[in-house]
Amino acid sequence: RKEVEQDPGPFNVPEGATVAFNCTYSNSASQSFFWYRQDCRKEPKLLMSVYSSGNEDGRFTAQLNRASQYISLLIRDSKLSDSATYLCVVNKNNQGGKLIFGQGTELSVKP
Amino acid sequence: NAGVTQTPKFQVLKTGQSMTLQCAQDMNHNSMYWYRQDPGMGLRLIYYSASEGTTDKGEVPNGYNVSRLNKREFSLRLESAAPSQTSVYFCASSEVGAEKLFFGSGTQLSVL
Repeated sequence: RKEVEQDPGPFNVPEGATVAFNCTYSNSASQSFFWYRQDCRKEPKLLMSVYSSGNEDGRFTAQLNRASQYISLLIRDSKLSDSATYLCVVNKNNQGGKLIFGQGTELSVKP
Repeated sequence: NAGVTQTPKFQVLKTGQSMTLQCAQDMNHNSMYWYRQDPGMGLRLIYYSASEGTTDKGEVPNGYNVSRLNKREFSLRLESAAPSQTSVYFCASSEVGAEKLFFGSGTQLSVL
């Protein structure tokens, strides 16, 4: 079993739709969690951290469920520019060298 | 602002050839990393350097060596390239203990 698993998609949604991605992790001792965004053939960039209490950044909401060991990302009012691959990232021990990346979920927003 | 700079952007090698991927960051970060990205596998850590003068193996270190030349530069060397090393390679840096990684633009390597 992979340490971090995501549905690879692709998720094809119309503009304005709400879309949710889930990610599961296997190590219950994992300390911190993130979503990165990767545009086609570009480098990954941090989208947002994920806190236990949940957090929101504009149209993006991230949730963490430690009991079930999953993380979610909700995108409301999808824009064409949201088309990208979203990477779920888990840190096993609060050190950069222990970041584990999921394989990514591809999102395509259509007009 | 350059951030993290990787060279080359593209490289084609024959099996058995050697090469070095160069990475430099201008953000005064202590920690630097090398990842490879393959379809369906996500990014996997090859080596990392928590601070100048130290290097540690990541998840997939076999077939690679690294050098932390100074605080700015962290190079990745393939001594004898194999087709299994065909991949996209990313260098990254971060503040020590911080978890926000800044990535370079990647190197697409093909080994024939």
